[in-house]
Amino acid sequence: AQKITQTQPGMFVQEKEAVTLDCTYDTSDPSYGLFWYKQPSSGEMIFLIYQGSYDQQNATEGRYSLNFQKARKSANLVISASQLGDSAMYFCAMSPMDSNYQLIWGAGTKLIIKP
Amino acid sequence: DTAVSQTPKYLVTQMGNDKSIKCEQNLGHDTMYWYKQDSKKFLKIMFSYNNKELIINETVPNRFSPKSPDKAHLNLHINSLELGDSAVYFCASSRNAGFSNTEAFFGQGTRLTVV
Repeated sequence: AQKITQTQPGMFVQEKEAVTLDCTYDTSDPSYGLFWYKQPSSGEMIFLIYQGSYDQQNATEGRYSLNFQKARKSANLVISASQLGDSAMYFCAMSPMDSNYQLIWGAGTKLIIKP
Repeated sequence: DTAVSQTPKYLVTQMGNDKSIKCEQNLGHDTMYWYKQDSKKFLKIMFSYNNKELIINETVPNRFSPKSPDKAHLNLHINSLELGDSAVYFCASSRNAGFSNTEAFFGQGTRLTVV
């Protein structure tokens, strides 16, 4: 079964520290995409970063990087130098080719940055 | 310019009413979607249209009817609203039929409250 697991329902992190949000996925499809989205309290869904299953290098976007370990089927999001504005829900999602690249979502992790 | 815009952002209405949520994308994408996010933050796809044709229709009450007058618009009409319809509804669009790359964006969400 295709599934995304985010094991951390909530996290508290001190401002300026790096934070790693866990995401593991399950698929037998060789072709898939992995996404991270941020949902602040205002409610919008903001795209952060994408990793294709065939990409050789880990994706990076500014302070965000995706630690892609294909053999372990993990796609952890790393936020460097966390800021108060990083407090939000974070969703990991997968789009397997077998599902016509439709998004399969994790349950989300609520991240709170402490000043 | 907002890539995917949906209106209204908030909608409070009484049970039994009929309401519509509008969505427009100015990205030239071929595919548009409607997602429902419940109170537990779980995201579930409802519908997907590719070039104005319905390609995904998940198990959704037939009180929900999507309408795509053109490729840039996908509106959601809900008849006889029920308390359980209260949720955040997201519109999204992608270049292709599915989230196979980063060319995928979400609207800001519509928080529907049925009283």
